[in-house]
Amino acid sequence: AQSVTQLGSHVSVSEGALVLLRCNYSSSVPPYLFWYVQYPNQGLQLLLKYTSAATLVKGINGFEAEFKKSETSFHLTKPSAHMSDAAEYFCAVSDIGNNDMRFGAGTRLTVKP
Amino acid sequence: DAGVIQSPRHEVTEMGQEVTLRCKPISGHDYLFWYRQTMMRGLELLIYFNNNVPIDDSGMPEDRFSAKMPNASFSTLKIQPSEPRDSAVYFCASSLGQGMNTGELFFGEGSRLTVL
Repeated sequence: AQSVTQLGSHVSVSEGALVLLRCNYSSSVPPYLFWYVQYPNQGLQLLLKYTSAATLVKGINGFEAEFKKSETSFHLTKPSAHMSDAAEYFCAVSDIGNNDMRFGAGTRLTVKP
Repeated sequence: DAGVIQSPRHEVTEMGQEVTLRCKPISGHDYLFWYRQTMMRGLELLIYFNNNVPIDDSGMPEDRFSAKMPNASFSTLKIQPSEPRDSAVYFCASSLGQGMNTGELFFGEGSRLTVL
């Protein structure tokens, strides 16, 4: 069964600094990969998704992620953090042809002024 | 579209009581998912439906939990009897099938359950 592992349950960066949130996946077949963001007291919202097209995926709010098959990774980055980026971020995986989506444990991003 | 609608947003109940959580998916979506979120266990998939039929309920923790989808626009998650360890945020999500979409899930705002 597919799964994802997020390295680091809590990441803290200064405003304007690079954001890097790590995600590694395990899947027996080429997967679909997703990053979702959750703001306090809200549901999850899609940031971006990889669906076997371009390996570098651009999402909303300046975030992007690169699919690296050799490293089984799908890390999320943003060049310059903003205070409004403070939230919890979830990596998720589903196998192509299977709607069973599995989420990582989440990484809480704190942005310091 | 109004998005996925869940009710109630907050529920506080006493141990042993029955709890019913409700979900209205996005019109036209043929998949519906129930997730539970806790600090200890993160986001857990409880059950999902395709065209109103339960496909995988292996995540349902025990027989006290049941879920139904009587039609394409409504689903319920019921806990009877409830226990304090059921306290969590329960999310409903819907999506289009893989053939028409890449499986992106659209989440409701969640139902926060507290069992005293």
